[in-house]
Amino acid sequence: QQQVKQSPQSLIVQKGGISIINCAYENTAFDYFPWYQQFPGKGPALLIAIRPDVSEKKEGRFTISFNKSAKQFSLHIMDSQPGDSATYFCAATSGSIQGAQKLVFGQGTRLTINP
Amino acid sequence: DTGVSQNPRHKITKRGQNVTFRCDPISEHNRLYWYRQTLGQGPEFLTYFQNEAQLEKSRLLSDRFSAERPKGSFSTLEIQRTEQGDSAMYLCASSSGGRTEAFFGQGTRLTVV
Repeated sequence: QQQVKQSPQSLIVQKGGISIINCAYENTAFDYFPWYQQFPGKGPALLIAIRPDVSEKKEGRFTISFNKSAKQFSLHIMDSQPGDSATYFCAATSGSIQGAQKLVFGQGTRLTINP
Repeated sequence: DTGVSQNPRHKITKRGQNVTFRCDPISEHNRLYWYRQTLGQGPEFLTYFQNEAQLEKSRLLSDRFSAERPKGSFSTLEIQRTEQGDSAMYLCASSSGGRTEAFFGQGTRLTVV
């Protein structure tokens, strides 16, 4: 059962543009939603994360928008740069108040930023 | 803080052989996780340790898979009688109790021929 659905599978954006990746979840018990960035041959690296008690979180050029009623959240990358070209994964977990728990990942989005 | 370390980085093995991977978590992280990632997919949870106790195992972890974390430090993941379907990247992550962030290693890429 796919609990986190991610789209699009791939995305091409011009340098300086805004990259937007969307995720939807089913399990209303999820209470922590991180985004990971993965370069080829490397492990996923934590980028930014949000809890459902806020609707938006911004860190530098990266913003998460969260819509609890729609059970959707998205990653926005402002002023996208060629160095942002990577695969991005959304994830979700429950029971995070007790500390990190197992993550359920989306299928990933391969982002390419054209110079 | 040297990050999560995984060895080996790459492993090629013949079908039917046993393989063992090692994960060294970030120092003093008491939680350790194993995930499997196949090409073009997101990581899938396999198992989770808090200190030396294995608290949860996924249905993906068949009887051929076993994980240990003696003394609550490093962990090993063993696959017995490997099959071609076991070919994947095996990722280890660790976290500090009470914190939500999990940090991943670079993974061990297994190829079964």
